[in-house]
Amino acid sequence: AQSVTQLDSHVSVSEGTPVLLRCNYSSSYSPSLFWYVQHPNKGLQLLLKYTSAATLVKGINGFEAEFKKSETSFHLTKPSAHMSDAAEYFCVGTNSGNTPLVFGKGTRLSVIA
Amino acid sequence: DAGVIQSPRHEVTEMGQEVTLRCKPISGHDYLFWYRQTMMRGLELLIYFNNNVPIDDSGMPEDRFSAKMPNASFSTLKIQPSEPRDSAVYFCASSLSGAAWTQYFGPGTRLLVL
Repeated sequence: AQSVTQLDSHVSVSEGTPVLLRCNYSSSYSPSLFWYVQHPNKGLQLLLKYTSAATLVKGINGFEAEFKKSETSFHLTKPSAHMSDAAEYFCVGTNSGNTPLVFGKGTRLSVIA
Repeated sequence: DAGVIQSPRHEVTEMGQEVTLRCKPISGHDYLFWYRQTMMRGLELLIYFNNNVPIDDSGMPEDRFSAKMPNASFSTLKIQPSEPRDSAVYFCASSLSGAAWTQYFGPGTRLLVL
């Protein structure tokens, strides 16, 4: 079965510095992978998705993620953090079982002025 | 498109009362999901439907919870009787088959049971 592990529960960066949110997955087949963002008191918004096309996926708000099969990773990056990026980020994968999606536990991103 | 619509956005009720949460999926989407989010347990899938038929309800915590989807544009999640431990944010999401399970979430209903 698929599992998704977000390696950091909290990441803090200064405004204008790069963002790296780490996600590893385990799967016996080629998965579909997603990153969602949740701002305080809001629903989850899709940032980007990987579905076995290009390994480097560009999303909204300047975020991108690279699927690395050899490392079983799907890390989320952004060159320069903005204050508005402060939120909870979820790495999500598909599952061959009955549950359509498997959610990571989330990484809270803080951006310091 | 208006996106996934949920109502009410906030609900405060007393223990023992019946609570009904409502969801309107994105038009044309044939999958609908109900999630619960708490600080302790994170995001949990409660139940999901395909073409209005419940496919997997293994995440429904107990018999006090029930969900229905009478038509393609409407679903309810009911808790009867409600308990304080049901306090959480409940999200509805929808997706289109063939779209790699890309789910679109509603804004959520924040439920507080006193």
